Amino acid sequence: DAKTTQPPSMDCAEGRAANLPCNHSTISGNEYVYWYRQIHSQGPQYIIHGLKNNETNEMASLIITEDRKSSTLILPHATLRDTAVYYCIVLDSSYKLIFGSGTRLLVRP
Amino acid sequence: EPEVTQTPSHQVTQMGQEVILRCVPISNHLYFYWYRQILGQKVEFLVSFYNNEISEKSEIFDDQFSVERPDGSNFTLKIRSTKLEDSAMYFCASEPGGLAKNIQYFGAGTRLSVL
Repeated sequence: DAKTTQPPSMDCAEGRAANLPCNHSTISGNEYVYWYRQIHSQGPQYIIHGLKNNETNEMASLIITEDRKSSTLILPHATLRDTAVYYCIVLDSSYKLIFGSGTRLLVRP
Repeated sequence: EPEVTQTPSHQVTQMGQEVILRCVPISNHLYFYWYRQILGQKVEFLVSFYNNEISEKSEIFDDQFSVERPDGSNFTLKIRSTKLEDSAMYFCASEPGGLAKNIQYFGAGTRLSVL
């Protein structure tokens, strides 16, 4: 499974968009990009995933570059409850999630 | 909304004792997992379980660990003889499979404290 690189921390103001980047330059053609988050030692929570097209659901949007070497998770209107560690995970056929250190997002009031 | 339930929320045990951590996955899910997170560290994969057998396990999951799905609903993790370094949050997860591949639903965790 491809390695990912994320900034260790970011912050944004409440109500503004939070854009969390992830680099996955060694991603292969059949690997998906998944995003999970962990709010203060709770169990990780699935957010969104994609292969090559941009995706949107009720939680977030995922923008994947055309060459698929990087992606951005967008929380369109961040709230205080979005303060969490966000994990970008690239997977193919493995049925296990490999968590890195993620990005610690702090949403400021 | 259905959720993964873990009990107990906190387990305190003496070193060398056996512990069983319990999980009730979401009904109709096909894949089951245990992960652990030592305080301040990353979430680590322990084991995956499908069709009543282990499908994959990590190096952490040695002979002291075992998993079972005794009655088709509960999914348990047993640690035979706990060590101080087993102190961690243990998360159970389940996955529906099919098109929802790698979309795992996690429980709130059991905090295991080994004294």
